[in-house]
Amino acid sequence: SAVISQKPSRDICQRGTSLTIQCQVDSQVTMMFWYRQQPGQSLTLIATANQGSEATYESGFVIDKFPISRPNLTFSTLTVSNMSPEDSSIYLCSAPQGWLSGDTQYFGPGTRLTVL
Amino acid sequence: GESVGLHLPTLSVQEGDSAVIKCTYSDSASNYFPWYKQELGKRPQLIIDIRSNVGEKKDQRIAVTLNKTAKHFSLHITETQPEDSAVYFCAALTEYALNFGKGTSLLVTP
Repeated sequence: SAVISQKPSRDICQRGTSLTIQCQVDSQVTMMFWYRQQPGQSLTLIATANQGSEATYESGFVIDKFPISRPNLTFSTLTVSNMSPEDSSIYLCSAPQGWLSGDTQYFGPGTRLTVL
Repeated sequence: GESVGLHLPTLSVQEGDSAVIKCTYSDSASNYFPWYKQELGKRPQLIIDIRSNVGEKKDQRIAVTLNKTAKHFSLHITETQPEDSAVYFCAALTEYALNFGKGTSLLVTP
């Protein structure tokens, strides 16, 4: 299975500031995905990060709030901008095992964000 | 868009009993259905998955069945053990992205 790491594992931030989360995959993948998991809730897809093109955002999520970078086939970042307490959540990245988007997806360990 | 629903938010069983968690989906084009297990404070872990060209898949105590006509798929856990206690998420692949259900909390009591 793909090995995925994230940094930081957790952070406590002040409202109005921004946090950039990094995701590293141990193999090249076409797509990487960013999810949000609010306390006691399921996983909600924020956006799909494609190498060489802009990220594709799901309904309710915008680039100004969650800018994403995908500089190469093994790495992506998600920034949570101008944070408010409502952004407190776990942010997870995922990637498929293989080259195809329909391949099994594995998750990083998540970043637990608390906004005060 | 895709709608993935779980029928039971919580499920409590006695150790050794079987547990079944059912999910429905709405998009008939969905062709891949994984189940993830998430323990408290940990990442979701894939436990089993099924593609639309088969009706059932087994892996030791875990199985998944798919009914394409009715658009639902189920997770079956036999001989449950306390370590099976966790939240289980179903998902359905639409185009390239997974849509997750709300999750079922399974509690296995000794």
